[in-house]
Amino acid sequence: DGGITQSPKYLFRKEGQNVTLSCEQNLNHDAMYWYRQDPGQGLRLIYYSQIVNDFQKGDIAEGYSVSREKKESFPLTVTSAQKNPTAFYLCASSMRLAGDYNEQFFGPGTRLTVL
Amino acid sequence: AQSVAQPEDQVNVAEGNPLTVKCTYSVSGNPYLFWYVQYPNRGLQFLLKYITGDNLVKGSYGFEAEFNKSQTSFHLKKPSALVSDSALYFCAVPAESGYSTLTFGKGTMLLVSP
Repeated sequence: DGGITQSPKYLFRKEGQNVTLSCEQNLNHDAMYWYRQDPGQGLRLIYYSQIVNDFQKGDIAEGYSVSREKKESFPLTVTSAQKNPTAFYLCASSMRLAGDYNEQFFGPGTRLTVL
Repeated sequence: AQSVAQPEDQVNVAEGNPLTVKCTYSVSGNPYLFWYVQYPNRGLQFLLKYITGDNLVKGSYGFEAEFNKSQTSFHLKKPSALVSDSALYFCAVPAESGYSTLTFGKGTMLLVSP
């Protein structure tokens, strides 16, 4: 999982609570991403950031928020507005090169369960 | 829209036999194509990518992929499967939504039996 850490590995949340998932990378990558994985649906992009202090919504951003105050860190907050938050969350990073052929490096994931 | 399709939810193969995991793509312009693997409760690991050039791309762990422009396919292959190859495999293409983002297929579970 090379250079990207996510914490915690497992997270339990009560309905109505906000929770923040941590993602840190030491690869000196400019770009970082958050995906949600549900069985049979592949990966869906939540948010991404190309540079510090800038980020964009992905395909399923509703109910989530992010910040990018440091190059190494891209935390994801799952808010109470997210109606079905139970899922496996993956953080990734990549170099920011010209052209669309940058492989992404993934963290080990955080499994969030809403009780 | 840029997309990939993985037509098989699951592929079963016996150890020692060749394996193929299928992927077809729909892109505008030159295709950039990726394969990733995910072991249980882990993040994804990059296997290989096609940018341009040779239609047979070699990657990690003995995997290779064959790019076929006329069939718009990018199938993942390995000459001799191992039980340890059992995992979830994803094909991906650059997304239209943003610079360097990827769109993933739904994944194919590969099960290699002893």
